[in-house]
Amino acid sequence: NAGVTQTPKFQVLKTGQSMTLQCAQDMNHNSMYWYRQDPGMGLRLIYYSASEGTTDKGEVPNGYNVSRLNKREFSLRLESAAPSQTSVYFCASLGTDRRTYGYTFGSGTRLTVV
Amino acid sequence: QKEVEQNSGPLSVPEGAIASLNCTYSDRGSQSFFWYRQYSGKSPELIMSIYSNGDKEDGRFTAQLNKASQYVSLLIRDSQPSDSATYLCAVQLAGGYQKVTFGTGTKLQVIP
Repeated sequence: NAGVTQTPKFQVLKTGQSMTLQCAQDMNHNSMYWYRQDPGMGLRLIYYSASEGTTDKGEVPNGYNVSRLNKREFSLRLESAAPSQTSVYFCASLGTDRRTYGYTFGSGTRLTVV
Repeated sequence: QKEVEQNSGPLSVPEGAIASLNCTYSDRGSQSFFWYRQYSGKSPELIMSIYSNGDKEDGRFTAQLNKASQYVSLLIRDSQPSDSATYLCAVQLAGGYQKVTFGTGTKLQVIP
């Protein structure tokens, strides 16, 4: 039972380069999320997808785009990376079982933009 | 005012003691409350959720919710060195599955 799988785990980009972070979940969850985590700032929502075919902006969407490819997969794209996007990125999914309600997070992607 | 506030710590407790972690929130419309544990360099993992005023126990963990005072706390009994981590409080608005706000976390150190 893999849960939420993120790739890559580490990445170094030069300013202006682009990349896509991949995320897949095998828990049949409808909702998926992308967060970034910076020291002293906590987890901040970038984009979310309430269900297959829908995406919406979160708190810090500028500089990012997302694609909900299917129910399992939700990708995050940086079109032109900037040093301010250096962060740890987490993908998460949310189930509806009241007993275990809460996010399941992927292992994270540590991104450095130089 | 931050939406979800936590003392950053570190909170140091001796092994075997009770660790008490606190969180306050600003939005009275908040309906669901969560505690996550995050080890250094790892992703957050859900410890427990609480929705109603009062206490909820799960093993060594007890979550306490007081909506009137707008705070939620997590007690860890018989603290172990393996409990040393950062504990994140998260708050969700009613019907707002997308509106989950995290605190910045409290770092707990359990001293052997």
